[in-house]
Amino acid sequence: DAGVTQSPTHLIKTRGQQVTLRCSPISGHKSVSWYQQVLGQGPQFIFQYYEKEERGRGNFPDRFSARQFPNYSSELNVNALLLGDSALYLCASRPSGARETQYFGPGTRLLVL
Amino acid sequence: AQTVTQSQPEMSVQEAETVTLSCTYDTSENNYYLFWYKQPPSRQMILVIRQEAYKQQNATENRFSVNFQKAAKSFSLKISDSQLGDTAMYFCAFMKPAPEGQNFVFGPGTRLSVLP
Repeated sequence: DAGVTQSPTHLIKTRGQQVTLRCSPISGHKSVSWYQQVLGQGPQFIFQYYEKEERGRGNFPDRFSARQFPNYSSELNVNALLLGDSALYLCASRPSGARETQYFGPGTRLLVL
Repeated sequence: AQTVTQSQPEMSVQEAETVTLSCTYDTSENNYYLFWYKQPPSRQMILVIRQEAYKQQNATENRFSVNFQKAAKSFSLKISDSQLGDTAMYFCAFMKPAPEGQNFVFGPGTRLSVLP
């Protein structure tokens, strides 16, 4: 079975622009979470979606938004990009329950110039 | 709020030897899960091992084992017979089961280098 997939793999944007990152969960997984990983640090939680509803939000500004589609894929949007948004954005999926392990995608490397 | 601490930013070990990575956490919860994830230079985050807090028996997975000390809130990872492919960042993570909402907190990571 295919794992979690993310697109694009790399992205370069300039300050003030907007970006959309995409994630496809493992088949059968209904929960998707997004993380930001700044170089040299551990991942920081941004959002969790389950059954197309937002179930959790980390300490990120309103410039960050996300949604989940009926096929359980997800998009993360970031508006008005700042230099500090440069990071690896990780998507993780898990079947459904809160007790289940989540599995990560390869990430999207975003560079803001 | 839960916090996870990894006090060793970098470690190295000779191939075939054993190394232990440390992790401590802070929580008031009684029911939770702990994980070790590995992130090789290729950056894909891979699950190494998982421990349920209600289980007293330490989890093992081939060459990987944990020492879970609930009272001390300590969760160390032991890698036996280290291999070059074990070179990676290792993240300790805490998860609180909840009906809704995110509950996954990562530590800052330990960079492990396995030397030939």
